Amino acid sequence: SQQGEEDPQALSIQEGENATMNCSYKTSINNLQWYRQNSGRGLVHLILIRSNEREKHSGRLRVTLDTSKKSSSLLITASRAADTASYFCASGLGSNYKLTFGKGTLLTVNP
Amino acid sequence: DTGVSQDPRHKITKRGQNVTFRCDPISEHNRLYWYRQTLGQGPEFLTYFQNEAQLEKSRLLSDRFSAERPKGSFSTLEIQRTEQGDSAMYLCASSLSEVQSGNTIYFGEGSWLTVV
Repeated sequence: SQQGEEDPQALSIQEGENATMNCSYKTSINNLQWYRQNSGRGLVHLILIRSNEREKHSGRLRVTLDTSKKSSSLLITASRAADTASYFCASGLGSNYKLTFGKGTLLTVNP
Repeated sequence: DTGVSQDPRHKITKRGQNVTFRCDPISEHNRLYWYRQTLGQGPEFLTYFQNEAQLEKSRLLSDRFSAERPKGSFSTLEIQRTEQGDSAMYLCASSLSEVQSGNTIYFGEGSWLTVV
């Protein structure tokens, strides 16, 4: 079963707009990680938020975590065409900590 | 460049042939993971190593698949008697052990396999 489920599956916006992607998960987590993947490439780590944190910022990225709702969101502000990619949330639990991914959100930023 | 290297980046092989992928993790990382990703899907966990010990294998990893990390550094993933359903991107990742406390898992660029 999938731990992380991203929503929406696809998002198309204009350059300069903000993009918000959501992630829901099913079980308790230690922390949650967001990744970006350009077409045909590997995953690039964006941000990690611990289960005891509620919000975290990194440059134009803002991640929130609501453990009571088992959900997280990723906000990209002032989007650029170069932000066009798939975005995944992933989480794990326990000492083995194998990440479980959803299908991702495909973000298209139109210039 | 995250520091996780994978080779080859692309491999086209005929059905029934064997293929091997290599992964060089970030040097101080003692955990190494293999994932598989098909088009339109997120990565799926295959297996992971703590140093040279293979600690867990997914049910996705049939007996045609074998992974090794002989000296706790680089790892290889071999697929024997390839089938068209094996066509996917194989991703390697590495991390320090204490991921649950907040260490990041870093992925490589992946190795694309096409079985014709």
